[in-house]
Amino acid sequence: KAGVTQTPRYLIKTRGQQVTLSCSPISGHRSVSWYQQTPGQGLQFLFEYFSETQRNKGNFPGRFSGRQFSNSRSEMNVSTLELGDSALYLCASSLATGDSYEQYFGPGTRLTVT
Amino acid sequence: DQQVKQNSPSLSVQEGRISILNCDYTNSMFDYFLWYKKYPAEGPTFLISISSIKDKNEDGRFTVFLNKSAKHLSLHIVPSQPGDSAVYFCTRSWGKLQFGAGTQVVVTP
Repeated sequence: KAGVTQTPRYLIKTRGQQVTLSCSPISGHRSVSWYQQTPGQGLQFLFEYFSETQRNKGNFPGRFSGRQFSNSRSEMNVSTLELGDSALYLCASSLATGDSYEQYFGPGTRLTVT
Repeated sequence: DQQVKQNSPSLSVQEGRISILNCDYTNSMFDYFLWYKKYPAEGPTFLISISSIKDKNEDGRFTVFLNKSAKHLSLHIVPSQPGDSAVYFCTRSWGKLQFGAGTQVVVTP
């Protein structure tokens, strides 16, 4: 089975721009979660989507948004980029049903804001 | 509101020996605990899980034990290998994962 894929892998943007990151979950997984990883804050939860609905949300400003499509693929959007948004953005997918709640992480998208 | 804590920031172990990582939790109900391994600048890699209806789960060199009365879980790695040198996280899974500081494991030759 193919793992979680994220595109693009690297991105450089300037302050004020917006960016869209994409995540394709493991086949059959219906839950997709997004995380931000920085050296100072570690891994921080952004939001989770399940069957196209946002099910959980972390403590990030409204500039961070996401959506999930009917094929479970998900996108994350960050508007009005700030220097502090530079981070590794990770997507994780999960079956999230029955007794299977493991989340499997993709390789991440490294975003640099200049 | 971190409800799962790892109290040992680091662990050094000789190659071939057992590594034991510990984790305490609060507010037990039905729960599902996960262990992850992480290398620098990479995302976490899922290792092993355990649900609160079990007290042990084993997968190759990795075994997780759950002591519900003590609200404690531990991960045993036997035998430890140099490639096991990484940061290990335990977390409770219920939609969102919360990662604390983890435990840095260093396996020495």
